[in-house]
Amino acid sequence: EAGVAQSPRYKIIEKRQSVAFWCNPISGHATLYWYQQILGQGPKLLIQFQNNGVVDDSQLPKDRFSAERLKGVDSTLKIQPAKLEDSAVYLCASSLVSGPRVGKLFFGSGTQLSVL
Amino acid sequence: SQQGEEDPQALSIQEGENATMNCSYKTSINNLQWYRQNSGRGLVHLILIRSNEREKHSGRLRVTLDTSKKSSSLLITASRAADTASYFCATEDNDMRFGAGTRLTVKP
Repeated sequence: EAGVAQSPRYKIIEKRQSVAFWCNPISGHATLYWYQQILGQGPKLLIQFQNNGVVDDSQLPKDRFSAERLKGVDSTLKIQPAKLEDSAVYLCASSLVSGPRVGKLFFGSGTQLSVL
Repeated sequence: SQQGEEDPQALSIQEGENATMNCSYKTSINNLQWYRQNSGRGLVHLILIRSNEREKHSGRLRVTLDTSKKSSSLLITASRAADTASYFCATEDNDMRFGAGTRLTVKP
């Protein structure tokens, strides 16, 4: 089966610019996650969707980050305006399981963002 | 929700040796999972152990879970150079939270 697709693979922007990342989860997967991984650290959950509804966005910096999941399938994560500390790899993951259980996550290759 | 914390932060061993990584967490969980991340790539699921299980095996991997101590361990037996990667535990409690990981280097 096709995996989780993410684009772009790399992005370099200057601070205060805007950037958007795209994710296409595995077909049929109800739950989608965006994680931020700063170099040398573990992935930090930004937002969790179940179908097209938000389950958890408690760690999403809502003053600059926004995310949506279109028709319960693809998702975009946007940063506007970007700060230097946003430099990280942004990982998208999906899970077949819905409801209170999470199950096994399938990850995309990530988008590496550099903010100069 | 809370994260797991891995120990050690880094581990360097010779090929053929066993590698043990530990994970501690703070609150009750539904299950605990281990993932591997090769440099510059996404995470790959290795194994899931449910809260009512104590031990699980998958190939050269052995995972234990002690819910009374809120800890888990991942053992990789007969390590290979290809096992060089970062290993993360993730705790599930309505969502999935990851620890900082253990960086494993296996020298040929």
